[in-house]
Amino acid sequence: EPEVTQTPSHQVTQMGQEVILRCVPISNHLYFYWYRQILGQKVEFLVSFYNNEISEKSEIFDDQFSVERPDGSNFTLKIRSTKLEDSAMYFCASSGSIFNYGYTFGSGTRLTVV
Amino acid sequence: GIQVEQSPPDLILQEGANSTLRCNFSDSVNNLQWFHQNPWGQLINLFYIPSGTKQNGRLSATTVATERYSLLYISSSQTTDSGVYFCAVVRGGGADGLTFGKGTHLIIQP
Repeated sequence: EPEVTQTPSHQVTQMGQEVILRCVPISNHLYFYWYRQILGQKVEFLVSFYNNEISEKSEIFDDQFSVERPDGSNFTLKIRSTKLEDSAMYFCASSGSIFNYGYTFGSGTRLTVV
Repeated sequence: GIQVEQSPPDLILQEGANSTLRCNFSDSVNNLQWFHQNPWGQLINLFYIPSGTKQNGRLSATTVATERYSLLYISSSQTTDSGVYFCAVVRGGGADGLTFGKGTHLIIQP
């Protein structure tokens, strides 16, 4: 079964540093997403990406965040000037259809800001 | 935005017991999915079920879209079923993100 692959699985960074989280969505999917889950809380939508541009974003996705599809396979989330409260699990997901025939999630990257 | 309420928030059962988890949502949806988050934090997709009933082994799910709720049934629970079960919905098209509920934390004791 096709998978969404995320790297690294765990990243520790110093406060104020920039981090890039990487994802390889399912190859024939059209929509790509990033979600965030702070420890013990629910999963929250950050941003969706379609046709090489942002489609929707939540209020969480401010100027500190950016997304990019640098080539035909990778999808990245960049967090600039990380803060302690950015510590969370970040999930990448992809979907194959505009009619939402289900989302496939990656295994997540656990980001710890110290 | 759409609201998703899950109940119960916590559930402790003995191995072999059956359970029903509920998800209520505040508006019509195009997509509803149930996920199991295992102890390592991975989100495992259980069902894509915007309406109707589906079964997969010991798990089944039913969504009554007109009444805006979904149920997840777990039969003959095993300790590996422990974890958090999330319901997530979306109203619109592919660009819209899923709205998750707060989850049901299930503990299966041996």
